[in-house]
Amino acid sequence: QLQLQESGPGLVKPSETLSLTCTVSGGSISSSSYYWGWIRQPPGKGLEWIGSIYYSGSTYYNPSLKSRVTISVDTSKNQFSLKLSSVTAADTAVYYCARRGARMAVAWVWGQGTLVTVSS
Amino acid sequence: QSALTQPASVSGSPGQSITISCTGTSSDVGGYNYVSWYQQHPGKAPKLMIYDVSNRPSGVSNRFSGSKSGNTASLTISGLQAEDEADYYCSSYTSSSTHVFGTGTKVTVL
Repeated sequence: QLQLQESGPGLVKPSETLSLTCTVSGGSISSSSYYWGWIRQPPGKGLEWIGSIYYSGSTYYNPSLKSRVTISVDTSKNQFSLKLSSVTAADTAVYYCARRGARMAVAWVWGQGTLVTVSS
Repeated sequence: QSALTQPASVSGSPGQSITISCTGTSSDVGGYNYVSWYQQHPGKAPKLMIYDVSNRPSGVSNRFSGSKSGNTASLTISGLQAEDEADYYCSSYTSSSTHVFGTGTKVTVL
């Protein structure tokens, strides 16, 4: 059974870079059948798609975040990662990693999420 | 990209049916059969309820159904139960190879 587990610092200072890793178990990140993604949810607000990556390394980003986001994949560790630079308080959110089908079942299956707070 | 438009709240009595709408454009909802719906209880991760407009994942009650007409998708919950009280979000794939979520709907069981 697929499991996605986010990990990383829960507190990041303003202007610094937020870094999170998602460890995948119960499935291979190298599968051509899936994309892997990051989605966030500020406290009390709605969901925002951050970006996606394919095992080949192809990436797709939310235009509003594109200049600050990097998503990468490490097939040897069955992990993928998120880096968000120059963070502000507005980046405080629960960050979820997720998987979606490549050609069918194009919908997200989620990890449990991790809260990241941006504060000095 | 703009968020898909959902009603802020929908309510119904136990046993009734309710429908949540999700309105986008021809570049997202109207252009692809890749609309999905998620249920989120407080403090929990979203749960996939409907994928590719009208398909239910294994384990999801058949009281949940999805459809689409033009640029608007809909989620219907029939036989409303207390456990259905939650926030619901739609999502769509877009012509820019990105994804967009709806504004979210709070479902209240009266």
